[in-house]
Amino acid sequence: DTGVSQNPRHKITKRGQNVTFRCDPISEHNRLYWYRQTLGQGPEFLTYFQNEAQLEKSRLLSDRFSAERPKGSFSTLEIQRTEQGDSAMYLCASSPQNFGNTEAFFGQGTRLTVV
Amino acid sequence: DAKTTQPPSMDCAEGRAANLPCNHSTISGNEYVYWYRQIHSQGPQYIIHGLKNNETNEMASLIITEDRKSSTLILPHATLRDTAVYYCIVKMAGGSEKLVFGKGTKLTVNP
Repeated sequence: DTGVSQNPRHKITKRGQNVTFRCDPISEHNRLYWYRQTLGQGPEFLTYFQNEAQLEKSRLLSDRFSAERPKGSFSTLEIQRTEQGDSAMYLCASSPQNFGNTEAFFGQGTRLTVV
Repeated sequence: DAKTTQPPSMDCAEGRAANLPCNHSTISGNEYVYWYRQIHSQGPQYIIHGLKNNETNEMASLIITEDRKSSTLILPHATLRDTAVYYCIVKMAGGSEKLVFGKGTKLTVNP
């Protein structure tokens, strides 16, 4: 499978715990994106990397959230001290470098439930 | 905020064409119109995009009005597997790379 891969697919955690999600983009895609989606809403942008550089962050990305892409390949999204409001689907996408006229390929997402 | 307006839901009979409208009256000259869809519990899937001209690929056709203030996504022969939420998104060439999703149109294809 050469698509965007996200792990785990599902995560249940207790409030206050830290969680980390992983995203493996399509190889040679140097752009990687994280989105969050709650029930009944469209995905909301969280952050974007070009190679290892984090170029844009949404104000939704509070200081409890951190994303990394250390070698410009896979990325991790960590949520510290989880809250019930963090329950959502976390989606990763990747795209090749092109000057704006690109399409993004999404993974299947990681569904987080905070209890 | 999303720069597009779509009806919240539509129905279509299997085998018939599904025409999904989208208004983007504030679109600027260097902004593309993108369409994605999301089947239940899956990630969004790219369908098609265009700037000015009509576009067609193996999945769909995109018709953009001459003034570019609205567009229509056409699924020529809808199947049950096309039941999904369809998102129309306006994105600038260059600049921010984020996609701004609205609530989309829930298309239900009926047998």
